[in-house]
This record gives sequence, structure tokens and C-alpha cells, in this order.
Amino acid sequence: GAVVSQHPSRVICKSGTSVKIECRSLDFQATTMFWYRQFPKQSLMLMATSNEGSKATYEQGVEKDKFLINHASLTLSTLTVTSAHPEDSSFYICSASPQGPETQYFGPGTRLLVL
Amino acid sequence: AQSVTQLDSQVPVFEEAPVELRCNYSSSVSVYLFWYVQYPNQGLQLLLKYLSGSTLVKGINGFEAEFNKSQTSFHLRKPSVHISDTAEYFCAVSGGGYNKLIFGAGTRLAVHP
Repeated sequence: GAVVSQHPSRVICKSGTSVKIECRSLDFQATTMFWYRQFPKQSLMLMATSNEGSKATYEQGVEKDKFLINHASLTLSTLTVTSAHPEDSSFYICSASPQGPETQYFGPGTRLLVL
Repeated sequence: AQSVTQLDSQVPVFEEAPVELRCNYSSSVSVYLFWYVQYPNQGLQLLLKYLSGSTLVKGINGFEAEFNKSQTSFHLRKPSVHISDTAEYFCAVSGGGYNKLIFGAGTRLAVHP
């Protein structure tokens, strides 16, 4: 149980385009979803926390207009990277929680490459 | 504020040898502590967690960790490692009203035959 999926697993796009990444909890309802970014050989940095039906809470330094997060249902959250640039290339990982942050189930990640 | 320090960025070890990955945290309130493993190009998998109770926590794949409040540590141990344990290991902390996980920088465990 407690499976989280992400789609796509890998995406390559041109600079200036927008990319949407989906995060789904497959067998539980996630009241909270988290989006992380991971640069090569570095740790995970929390970008934002989203609760179903409400606006996401962004971490300091994360541009909310660039990284649009939607948590429309208890099983789906999306991250849209708008007007992507090469510096947005990274590994994006979501996690979903049926309760507090002490219970997070992680997705397999999405590797974004912006050319 | 909470923070996590993983003292070793890389730990090389031979197969079947014991290993300890070190983690220290700072927090002014009670915390929850976690160890996650990440295999290449994958998400994170929970190895074990400490929420309360016994300070010795046993996890999956033969790993265990001990919560030491006086030393603010949560070191991860395994008595005998396998090649398949080669991965990146992250220590994390949450709790005390902080609604998020704070991760350490990670330790790369490399098991050699």
C-alpha cells in the first residue's frame, strides 16, 4: 500500500515552454502533498506544501508564479513549471501524506531537462 | 529553527562489514526523526522513523538507528552490508509545530566487494 506515482518520469522541453508534472496517491487519500526539488548530488529542498482545496504554501525563495501548484483532489496534485529555463532543470519529487508530515510517501521523481 | 547535519558525505565499506551513518540534529523542541534511502534516479523510501517510545528503532533491510537526546544524534547502523545497500541515505527531522521535513545533505554509501 501507500503508493505515489509521478508522471512523466522524464521530460525534455524547450526554453520558454511550460511543463506539468502530476503526482497521484494511488491507494490512499492525501490531505497534504509536498513538492521537492533535488539538484545533482544534493539534498531535497522543499518547494511548497499543498492541502487539498486550498492555496499552496511556498517556501522562501520559491517563485509561486513560476511554479504553479494545484491540489484539486485528495489524490492528485500538479506542479506546472511556467516559462521553463535551463536553470529549472532538476529532479522534482513529490510526496503525499494522509496525515501529518511525519508520514510522507514519496513518488519516484520527475527529471526535467530544459534545453 | 530545525536543522540536520550528516557528518559524512561519502562512506565506503566492504561487503559484509558493519556500517554507521551519522546524523545530528538541532531543535529547541521535541522532534520526529527519519532515515530515507534513495537509489539512483528514484524517489525516497523510508527506512525507519522515531516518533516516541523506545530509542532503538529497527527498520527495513536490517537497518536500525538509536535516538540519543543528550547528544542530539540519530545514527543509522547495519551490522553487515550488502552490495545492494549502495545508495544515498538521508536523515530528516520534523515536529514541534513545523509542518515539514528538513533533510540533511545526504551520505553516499558505497559497498565494495
